[in-house]
Amino acid sequence: EVQLQESGPGLVKPSQSLSLTCSVTGYSITSNYWGWIRKFPGNKMEWMGYISYSGSTSYNPSLKSRISITRDTSKNQFFLQLNSVTTEDTATYYCARFYYVMDAWGQGASVTVSS
Amino acid sequence: DVQMTQSPSYLAASPGESVSISCKASKSINTYLAWYQEKPGKTNKLLIYSGSTLQSGTPSRFSGSGSGTDFTLTIRSLEPEDFAVYYCQQHNEYPFTFGSGTKLEIK
Repeated sequence: EVQLQESGPGLVKPSQSLSLTCSVTGYSITSNYWGWIRKFPGNKMEWMGYISYSGSTSYNPSLKSRISITRDTSKNQFFLQLNSVTTEDTATYYCARFYYVMDAWGQGASVTVSS
Repeated sequence: DVQMTQSPSYLAASPGESVSISCKASKSINTYLAWYQEKPGKTNKLLIYSGSTLQSGTPSRFSGSGSGTDFTLTIRSLEPEDFAVYYCQQHNEYPFTFGSGTKLEIK
């Protein structure tokens, strides 16, 4: 059974970078696609982007200049980096196995952007 | 981006009742709509994709219908474990977008 777990700092200062790790067990990230989704206070959800089994990426155009998704296949992990954060990036961040729909999710990591 | 309008935002019902949740897209998404269930302390669960295809493990009391711009999630004979938040998501075109959620509570 595939399991995903997000980890990373819960507090980030404005203008800094947000970095999260998604650790995957029970399934290789060299198969399928792997994505990041976030849920803002008030419950609006946003699809952020994905990294494929081959390492190619696709990002939401609204984030394209600030986002990077990378991976470490030796650790079966993939990563989210979001640069130049503002308070509007405060959200719960989810990683998920993805192929147009998300069929396995992590528990979510709450990230607050505040000075 | 395709805007997804989900309604109602809040719904109260009793176990045994049937409920329906609507999701409307701002343009045609063919049949490419998914439904998810969110419960505290659990990971989000994919219930239905491509409008009406039940994900493995989804109970048959859940059903999805619709095409184009109008979609419906129906839950027949509510069980106690069905009280949760439900989201729709279009998977027709990037960037994929979500509805605003429906909180289903026990009456």
